[in-house]
Amino acid sequence: ETGVTQTPRHLVMGMTNKKSLKCEQHLGHNAMYWYKQSAKKPLELMFVYNFKEQTENNSVPSRFSPECPNSSHLFLHLHTLQPEDSALYLCASSQGSRGTNTEAFFGQGTRLTVV
Amino acid sequence: SQQGEEDPQALSIQEGENATMNCSYKTSINNLQWYRQNSGRGLVHLILIRSNEREKHSGRLRVTLDTSKKSSSLLITASRAADTASYFCATDNNAGNMLTFGGGTRLMVKP
Repeated sequence: ETGVTQTPRHLVMGMTNKKSLKCEQHLGHNAMYWYKQSAKKPLELMFVYNFKEQTENNSVPSRFSPECPNSSHLFLHLHTLQPEDSALYLCASSQGSRGTNTEAFFGQGTRLTVV
Repeated sequence: SQQGEEDPQALSIQEGENATMNCSYKTSINNLQWYRQNSGRGLVHLILIRSNEREKHSGRLRVTLDTSKKSSSLLITASRAADTASYFCATDNNAGNMLTFGGGTRLMVKP
C-alpha cells in the first residue's frame, strides 16, 4: 500500500461512453499527477496539479479532462476515447515543493481498454 | 519529450549475479530518482540522488550520478528472483513540480 488508491482497477468502455477514473491519496501531499503508460512507450506525464491548481497540461487531447476538487482527490474524466487510448493510467502524488521534487507515490493504476 | 533513457532495454541474469542499469538524460537536473515496477502495477520509489551527490547506497542498491556526462547507473547486488521487474529512472529538471521518466529496463532474474 503506497497511500495512493485508484479506482477502478480495470475499465472497459466503448468509444461513445463517458467514464471517470478516481485517485485518492492519504499522505497529506499537495501535488498530484496523471501518467499514461502504453505498451513499449515511456511513461507519459499528462497533467500536474499543485495545491489544487493545474500547473502542467502536456498537450493532452481534450477528450481527457482532469479535475482536482481538493488536494486529496484527483479525477480523470474520459469522453469519446479512441482505441489507441487503451493503456495503464497511473496516478501519483508528492509533497509539492516547486523546484525541489521529492519522491512520487504511485497508485496501482487503472487498466483501460477502449473498444 | 523523453528525458531519461535507460540502457539496456532488457537484461536477463542468474540469481546471485549483479545487475547494472544505466540512464542518460539531456537537461540539467535537481535530482534523479530510480523506480521499480512489477508487471501491470504502479511504480515504487527506490532511491533519490541529488545533483550534488555522486553515489548513494540503500541496502543492495547502489546508485551513481555523473552530471558531467548526464548519466546515472543503478547496481543491484546479489540479485534475487524477486528483483524481476522493470526499472525506471526519472529526473526533476527544475522546470516545475514534475518528473520525467525514461523507457525503463526490464530485468529478469532467473532462479
